[in-house]
Amino acid sequence: SQQGEEDPQALSIQEGENATMNCSYKTSINNLQWYRQNSGRGLVHLILIRSNEREKHSGRLRVTLDTSKKSSSLLITASRAADTASYFCATDGYNFNKFYFGSGTKLNVKP
Amino acid sequence: DVKVTQSSRYLVKRTGEKVFLECVQDMDHENMFWYRQDPGLGLRLIYFSYDVKMKEKGDIPEGYSVSREKKERFSLILESASTNQTSMYLCASSKGPLYYEQYFGPGTRLTVT
Repeated sequence: SQQGEEDPQALSIQEGENATMNCSYKTSINNLQWYRQNSGRGLVHLILIRSNEREKHSGRLRVTLDTSKKSSSLLITASRAADTASYFCATDGYNFNKFYFGSGTKLNVKP
Repeated sequence: DVKVTQSSRYLVKRTGEKVFLECVQDMDHENMFWYRQDPGLGLRLIYFSYDVKMKEKGDIPEGYSVSREKKERFSLILESASTNQTSMYLCASSKGPLYYEQYFGPGTRLTVT
């Protein structure tokens, strides 16, 4: 399977702390995306990083990509209770039209 | 803002029924997708469409079919619903080739009894 796999499966932190989640994948990619899903809702796109990029920032989000290790990490700095959600990575596996999602990291930010 | 809507948030059907799940997007996107989401398995692609009347199988197409007669509408059909098709179904769209960001609908939680 080309599916990305997130690690850890669950993460619980206090408000204000940083949260780091990782994604590993198996095949070469063009790009990798991170999505957020609030409980029982659809996914929302957070950030995309291309295979020739190593790091990308968007607000409190920082994404890194290491294609040699086939892995990516998502860092959320100064977390807030509103960041409580599941986070998924998605890879395209070199097919521009198909995307492969992992099973997600469930983040709980305690106020 | 892109809006993707799904016909129902919750649906309960009986085994053997034919089930239609409708998805509509309002941003003239070329690509549309159907996923199912199950605990511990993440999102799995059922079918996607890159143009009107065009479709391509995803990873788990068995027991499903799709229809795209108009650009904005993508329907998922369960020909004969079974209990193992109880799941959350998510529709998504993206602008087209080389535009990777997907916009998701709110999901339909289908229960087959």
